[in-house]
Amino acid sequence: QKEVEQNSGPLSVPEGAIASLNCTYSDRGSQSFFWYRQYSGKSPELIMFIYSNGDKEDGRFTAQLNKASQYVSLLIRDSQPSDSATDLCAVARSNDYKLSFGAGTTVTVRA
Amino acid sequence: SQTIHQWPATLVQPVGSPLSLECTVEGTSNPNLYWYRQAAGRGLQLLFYSVGIGQISSEVPQNLSASRPQDRQFILSSKKLLLSDSGFYLCAWGWGETQYFGPGTRLLVL
Repeated sequence: QKEVEQNSGPLSVPEGAIASLNCTYSDRGSQSFFWYRQYSGKSPELIMFIYSNGDKEDGRFTAQLNKASQYVSLLIRDSQPSDSATDLCAVARSNDYKLSFGAGTTVTVRA
Repeated sequence: SQTIHQWPATLVQPVGSPLSLECTVEGTSNPNLYWYRQAAGRGLQLLFYSVGIGQISSEVPQNLSASRPQDRQFILSSKKLLLSDSGFYLCAWGWGETQYFGPGTRLLVL
């Protein structure tokens, strides 16, 4: 079992719609959760992070965390062509400086 | 603000040749530093991380090595490259668990 699993996609959404990305993790000691975006040929950029159960909103992005279910998700509202990229989920244990990355979900926003 | 640099941006090397990739960070002190590799179409694989000068932890046994000669400098090396070393090499810096990536070096071993 992989430490961090994501649906590879591609996830195709129409412009203006909500994109929903899911991520599950296997280590119950995980405490910090991150979403990164990687455009083709570029390095990952941090979208947002979440530490506590529930929802955290940042602009068009909402991260949702459920530690009991070992599940973290990312909602992208009003999807734009610039959201066409691979979004990576990453997980860290408390006081551990290492991140475990999922393989990423490729999102395509169609006009 | 913090900035992370990597060079070279791209590199084509023959099998068996040596390798040296450099990463430097500006605007912060005593950061955690990381080297990752991303093979084509694959996820990020952590290779090395460092919490201080001269402190290197290796995650994957391989023909690569890392060094941290200065607080904000991280170097990835190899004495003899293999075909399987091809990939996108990313350096990252971090405080706590949050990490920020450099622009990367694309390495092709022929």
